[in-house]
Amino acid sequence: SQQGEEDPQALSIQEGENATMNCSYKTSINNLQWYRQNSGRGLVHLILIRSNEREKHSGRLRVTLDTSKKSSSLLITASRAADTASYFCATNSGGSNYKLTFGKGTLLTVNP
Amino acid sequence: DGGITQSPKYLFRKEGQNVTLSCEQNLNHDAMYWYRQDPGQGLRLIYYSQIVNDFQKGDIAEGYSVSREKKESFPLTVTSAQKNPTAFYLCASSVLAGDTQYFGPGTRLTVL
Repeated sequence: SQQGEEDPQALSIQEGENATMNCSYKTSINNLQWYRQNSGRGLVHLILIRSNEREKHSGRLRVTLDTSKKSSSLLITASRAADTASYFCATNSGGSNYKLTFGKGTLLTVNP
Repeated sequence: DGGITQSPKYLFRKEGQNVTLSCEQNLNHDAMYWYRQDPGQGLRLIYYSQIVNDFQKGDIAEGYSVSREKKESFPLTVTSAQKNPTAFYLCASSVLAGDTQYFGPGTRLTVL
């Protein structure tokens, strides 16, 4: 079963704009991770945020985590056409520590 | 170069045939994983291995088998018992189970 659910399913913006994607999950977590997938390719890890963290930054990426609402958001600032991809959140629930549970993803299209 | 390789990139199989997908990593990671991705969907865990000579079923193991005889290699066999095998298969590895995962480029399997 899916743990994380991304919202929106698809997002289309112009270059230079910011893109925000949200992820909601159902059970408590050890950490939450965001991955990116270009069409037909493997996933690339973007950022990991632990359950005791509220915000992390990496370059143009900003991730927030609200464990009380069981939600996370990924913000990409000053988007570029090369950011066009699907973005997935994945949760690590700890008890079965090996396991990442992925959402269905948000398809981001950045128009030049 | 360090990384994860999967072969072949595209694979075609006739119904009733078993087929083996290759996954090799030279990252010295202990944990390895196999996922299945269907169009517009997230990833679902098939099998995972935390250490050599050990592996466990994931969420959708029926119709699949794996082995982990070497640290570097984690081949996946799609058997004729898998009712709907056409999908994109992704292999991943991590230093330890539960850590950030690094993905291969994927194998697209089509059953004719």
